[in-house]
Amino acid sequence: GAVVSQHPSRVICKSGTSVKIECRSLDFQATTMFWYRQFPKQSLMLMATSNEGSKATYEQGVEKDKFLINHASLTLSTLTVTSAHPEDSSFYICSAKGPLQETQYFGPGTRLLVL
Amino acid sequence: GQNIDQPTEMTATEGAIVQINCTYQTSGFNGLFWYQQHAGEAPTFLSYNVLDGLEEKGRFSSFLSRSKGYSYLLLKELQMKDSASYLCAVPINDYKLSFGAGTTVTVRA
Repeated sequence: GAVVSQHPSRVICKSGTSVKIECRSLDFQATTMFWYRQFPKQSLMLMATSNEGSKATYEQGVEKDKFLINHASLTLSTLTVTSAHPEDSSFYICSAKGPLQETQYFGPGTRLLVL
Repeated sequence: GQNIDQPTEMTATEGAIVQINCTYQTSGFNGLFWYQQHAGEAPTFLSYNVLDGLEEKGRFSSFLSRSKGYSYLLLKELQMKDSASYLCAVPINDYKLSFGAGTTVTVRA
């Protein structure tokens, strides 16, 4: 159990376009989802915490208008990188946690390359 | 914030044992997690310790001492596939996880 999927796994886009990444919990209800970004050889940096039915809470330094997060259901959260630029190229990983769980389970990640 | 320290790199031989230490400083304590992350992949859950002592799960064991702010992950009978980054993490507000920088373990034949 506790499977989290992400789509797409890899995306290449042109500078200025928007990219949407989906995160789904497949076998449990995720009341809380988290979005991380990881640059090469660095640890995971939390971008935002997303609770179902409410606005996401962003970490300091993360632009909420650039990284739009929607958590419309208990199994789906989306991250939209708006007007992407080359510096947004990174590995984006979501994780999900159920109401009675202590553990966060991670999706497989989405590698974004902005040209 | 949280201070989480773990060594940057460790190298060991196939079949050997390696111990990855993690020290942390938190304002409250809600347990400690260990994750494994292979290059280019997302982290996978290894263990969660909330009480003092050693918890064993097959070849991997995790130890916690809350009074010392210390944990270690013990990898036994190392295999080549164990080459990965091992992340120590502690929950903070709203169950957000604060991660250490990770320890890259290289297993040599």
